Amino acid sequence: EADIYQTPRYLVIGTGKKITLECSQTMGHDKMYWYQQDPGMELHLIHYSYGVNSTEKGDLSSESTVSRIRTEHFPLTLESARPSHTSQYLCASSEGFFSGDEQFFGPGTRLTVL
Amino acid sequence: AQSVAQPEDQVNVAEGNPLTVKCTYSVSGNPYLFWYVQYPNRGLQFLLKYITGDNLVKGSYGFEAEFNKSQTSFHLKKPSALVSDSALYFCAVKSDKIIFGKGTRLHILP
Repeated sequence: EADIYQTPRYLVIGTGKKITLECSQTMGHDKMYWYQQDPGMELHLIHYSYGVNSTEKGDLSSESTVSRIRTEHFPLTLESARPSHTSQYLCASSEGFFSGDEQFFGPGTRLTVL
Repeated sequence: AQSVAQPEDQVNVAEGNPLTVKCTYSVSGNPYLFWYVQYPNRGLQFLLKYITGDNLVKGSYGFEAEFNKSQTSFHLKKPSALVSDSALYFCAVKSDKIIFGKGTRLHILP
């Protein structure tokens, strides 16, 4: 079944740790996105990708980095986590470059940095 | 500049009554408009979209939305609300990039 997956769903870590949030989709979509969302609040785009070897920064400045080595995989990395990184991170994908394509979202990773 | 506004933080509706969740937008050129729903501890789910054509768009779970170019609005509607419709609803507009509204929390009262 075509879907988009995120792991872990919940993560609690200490300050200074390096973490990677995983995102995979089985739909063959070219475009992928990372959003940051405080619980029940608006979404902020932090990274996106047009395809393999393409990564762009979004509207909200973020200390995280992303990579796109394979079409289906778009991991997000924080080299040194801080309490200010505590948030929910949502991964999404869309089929192509047509602006009318809707986005498909993963279930999210809720990150807490102590 | 491109923007989208959801003027109501929360909407309360009695079960069985019609519901409306408001959205207005500002964009140069032709807009692509979307509605998404988010249930607790979940990602967003696509409900419906307007690209072109008929101003009344029908989507999932009995929801529909009306595109009004003169009022630059794209309000979400449902004729008869269910308790299970209680969730957070996001309007989004896409021109050169996608922008989400701040969300409206919908409470359906039994």
